[in-house]
Amino acid sequence: DVKVTQSSRYLVKRTGEKVFLECVQDMDHENMFWYRQDPGLGLRLIYFSYDVKMKEKGDIPEGYSVSREKKERFSLILESASTNQTSMYLCASSRGGILSTEAFFGQGTRLTVV
Amino acid sequence: AQSVTQPDIHITVSEGASLELRCNYSYGATPYLFWYVQSPGQGLQLLLKYFSGDTLVQGIKGFEAEYKRSQSSFNLRKPSVHWSDAAEYFCAVSTSGTYKYIFGTGTRLKVLA
Repeated sequence: DVKVTQSSRYLVKRTGEKVFLECVQDMDHENMFWYRQDPGLGLRLIYFSYDVKMKEKGDIPEGYSVSREKKERFSLILESASTNQTSMYLCASSRGGILSTEAFFGQGTRLTVV
Repeated sequence: AQSVTQPDIHITVSEGASLELRCNYSYGATPYLFWYVQSPGQGLQLLLKYFSGDTLVQGIKGFEAEYKRSQSSFNLRKPSVHWSDAAEYFCAVSTSGTYKYIFGTGTRLKVLA
C-alpha cells in the first residue's frame, strides 16, 4: 500500500515563527502536493512538485514556500506564520505523466497559529 | 472553467437507509473521477475511481458510483448506511497526464442511530 506520512498530526506555533511541515511518501511517486483544507472551501492547492527540485505554484501560494530535495520528501514552509494560516494541511502524492491516476493522502497536520 | 460541484453541504440519513451523494463537474477533457472519504481529523481515503469502461464502479466499504456523461455527474451511492459511514465525502476530477486534481467542497454525512 502507498503510504504518505506527515511528520506531525498537530502543531501549535506562534505568530512570526518559521514553520516546517514535512511529508514523506514510499511509493516512488513523481508528483507531490500540498493542500490546505478549510471548512466550506474544500481542498485548495498550495504547491505542487513533479520532480526533485521542481515546483509549481498552486491556487494559494502566498505566504508559503516548498522544498523537494529528494524524491520521497516534500516540505511546506511558512516563512512567517500568521493566524490566517491556521488550518488543516494535507500532503498527497501520485504517479507522474500518463501513468498519473489517483492521489494518495497523508493523515493531515492541523496547524494552529496563536 | 473547470469545477466540481457537490450541491449538498450536509446530509442526514438514518442507519440502514440508502444514500446518494451528488457530484457534478465541468471539465473540458475526458475526466478521471474520484470519490474520497475523510473521517474526522484524518486524511482522505480513496473510495472509488472511474477512468474508463463500465460506468458503474464499485468501491470499498460497499459504495458504488455511476458516471453519466450526458449529465456530467458522478453520484455516489450506498444501499444501506452504517453508523461508521459518518464522515465527509469529496468528489474530485482529473485527467490523464495532468497533476491537477479539482475537488468539490465536500458533503458531510451524519448518520442517525
